[in-house]
Amino acid sequence: GAGVSQTPSNKVTEKGKYVELRCDPISGHTALYWYRQSLGQGPEFLIYFQGTGAADDSGLPNDRFFAVRPEGSVSTLKIQRTERGDSAVYLCASSSPGLGANVLTFGAGSRLTVL
Amino acid sequence: SQQGEEDPQALSIQEGENATMNCSYKTSINNLQWYRQNSGRGLVHLILIRSNEREKHSGRLRVTLDTSKKSSSLLITASRAADTASYFCATGSQGGSEKLVFGKGTKLTVNP
Repeated sequence: GAGVSQTPSNKVTEKGKYVELRCDPISGHTALYWYRQSLGQGPEFLIYFQGTGAADDSGLPNDRFFAVRPEGSVSTLKIQRTERGDSAVYLCASSSPGLGANVLTFGAGSRLTVL
Repeated sequence: SQQGEEDPQALSIQEGENATMNCSYKTSINNLQWYRQNSGRGLVHLILIRSNEREKHSGRLRVTLDTSKKSSSLLITASRAADTASYFCATGSQGGSEKLVFGKGTKLTVNP
């Protein structure tokens, strides 16, 4: 696609529920990143993929968070047993090694609210 | 964790004035980037400076990098109301992971 697409744009759920957030990167971009941003803060790194594999998952806060990218394109961020503290905007970004550096193109984000 | 620390946290200026934002970081880097975020939207890449560069220009943007002080500055000249946004620095570390680590940002308001 022309840009990075994230769905849903807004998700309201109840504490304890399971949530999936989807990211469709720019076609041909091999690297895909997930960040989370709380109000008034900068994006906090969660995980990034190079192709199908997670190259760095050091930012995932705990084992309730998991992300996959089975075919090296679309990625899904999965959050189990959601907690109120998980409320944030989840940002996805992709990049192409052809740019020579990790210059990221971001999606508009998925706003998650856990009640 | 967030490596970059921008200052000031908030900056309010009049249209036509210059805006300067600073970023300090902690570890060795291979590049430093600046991004802009309008309220409620995703981030947009503005400019990248590599660790072996000291200054870079792009339109009304000027970025400097001082690796000895582990700091960078972003200067926006002749500001416009449309420049109102939050600005973040992001660092790419040497070796290993290609992740970018963002700072907390500077919220810039340009008054017409």
